[in-house]
Amino acid sequence: DIQMTQSPSTLSASVGDRVTITCRASQSISSWLAWYQQKPGKAPKLLIYKASSLESGVPSKFSGSGSGTEFTLTISSLQPDDFATYYCQQYNGYSRTFGQGTKVEIK
Amino acid sequence: QVQLQQWGAGLLKPSETLSLTCAVYGGSFNGDYWTWIRQPPGKGLEWIGEINHSESTNYNPSLKSRVTISPDTSKNQFSLKLNSVTAADTAVYYCARLKDIAAAGGGVFDIWGQGTMVTVSS
Repeated sequence: DIQMTQSPSTLSASVGDRVTITCRASQSISSWLAWYQQKPGKAPKLLIYKASSLESGVPSKFSGSGSGTEFTLTISSLQPDDFATYYCQQYNGYSRTFGQGTKVEIK
Repeated sequence: QVQLQQWGAGLLKPSETLSLTCAVYGGSFNGDYWTWIRQPPGKGLEWIGEINHSESTNYNPSLKSRVTISPDTSKNQFSLKLNSVTAADTAVYYCARLKDIAAAGGGVFDIWGQGTMVTVSS
């Protein structure tokens, strides 16, 4: 099983901040990584796939980078609507696993 | 615009079988892969398995012995059955579509159902 570890688990930030979330895979997954945003009581929303490709309709303030085992999601200029939980997910071959999530809170 | 609508029993007793259905509206069932994902209360996401219209399946090894995902192409639906449930199976269950494989490379989930809370309790 490929394990995904996100850090930090919780991130306190202010409106206008630039924030970065890290996701590490237990083995190389090339660029087969996606990022999702989830708000309370809602289904997750796809933001990024193939490590750095922006899903259609997602604002360009979201960006992803990385390959192999280390990946990052960056949100430039945090807005009130961005306070949510973010999950990374690997999809190497037939395996799919999620990170444990990073909750972005208002400082 | 493809939308997913899901339904099924929300309260089960231990050892019973969980059964959920997901209907695909506004698009074709054929040609895509369809999946189930769950989320225990206050916890993270767990992929359960996926299927396409020709019944090609891929399951999470940790659940494979108890899970069946099957299509009903005539109704544009697919279903999840999880047998011998325990309290550990209590979760919100989501159906979702895999994003076009040519674009994304595989198991990325771009359209989600609304979620169904399933509680297992005696």
